[in-house]
Amino acid sequence: NAGVTQTPKFRVLKTGQSMTLLCAQDMNHEYMYWYRQDPGMGLRLIHYSVGEGTTAKGEVPDGYNVSRLKKQNFLLGLESAAPSQTSVYFCASRAGLQVSYNEQFFGPGTRLTVL
Amino acid sequence: GENVEQHPSTLSVQEGDSAVIKCTYSDSASNYFPWYKQELGKGPQLIIDIRSNVGEKKDQRIAVTLNKTAKHFSLHITETQPEDSAVYFCAARSGASSASKIIFGSGTRLSIRP
Repeated sequence: NAGVTQTPKFRVLKTGQSMTLLCAQDMNHEYMYWYRQDPGMGLRLIHYSVGEGTTAKGEVPDGYNVSRLKKQNFLLGLESAAPSQTSVYFCASRAGLQVSYNEQFFGPGTRLTVL
Repeated sequence: GENVEQHPSTLSVQEGDSAVIKCTYSDSASNYFPWYKQELGKGPQLIIDIRSNVGEKKDQRIAVTLNKTAKHFSLHITETQPEDSAVYFCAARSGASSASKIIFGSGTRLSIRP
């Protein structure tokens, strides 16, 4: 199993450009998450999904959109990038449904710079 | 909503000594408390977790304690080794549902001095 993979690993955007970050998991997990990590602020939840076709807002959703058309994929979109969105983005997945499966598995991250 | 505070933000200990990282949470309904380790250039990885019906859990050199009354929990690493150098995050699952979100602390950068 590849676990959780993220594409791309690095990206530089100009202000106003758009892009989509792709997260894929091959563990048949129900729940998927997008976080951003900034120095001194830990991991902040942007959006999450508890199943195919469903999404919900996290702590810092403004400026981002997501889609979960397929169970194994969770896309994070930036319609008009801003310098404040410079960050490292992590995707995570969790089995869900059964309380005993609590562990979140994280991808390797995408480092995004907005100039 | 849930708020998780983590201290210290940086910690440096001599190899072989113990390291302790402390966290507090605000939501009394939180019932699951994981700890993640993040090595440079990688995503966080779960190292140990504890549920609210347990006061302490050990796994080799690492242990976690939970005080539900005071709403705080701690990570203890004994006999520290160079490979323990990393950023550690505590977290709490807000609410009783298994679908509840996990809220992370701000992280502790642990350095082990040779």
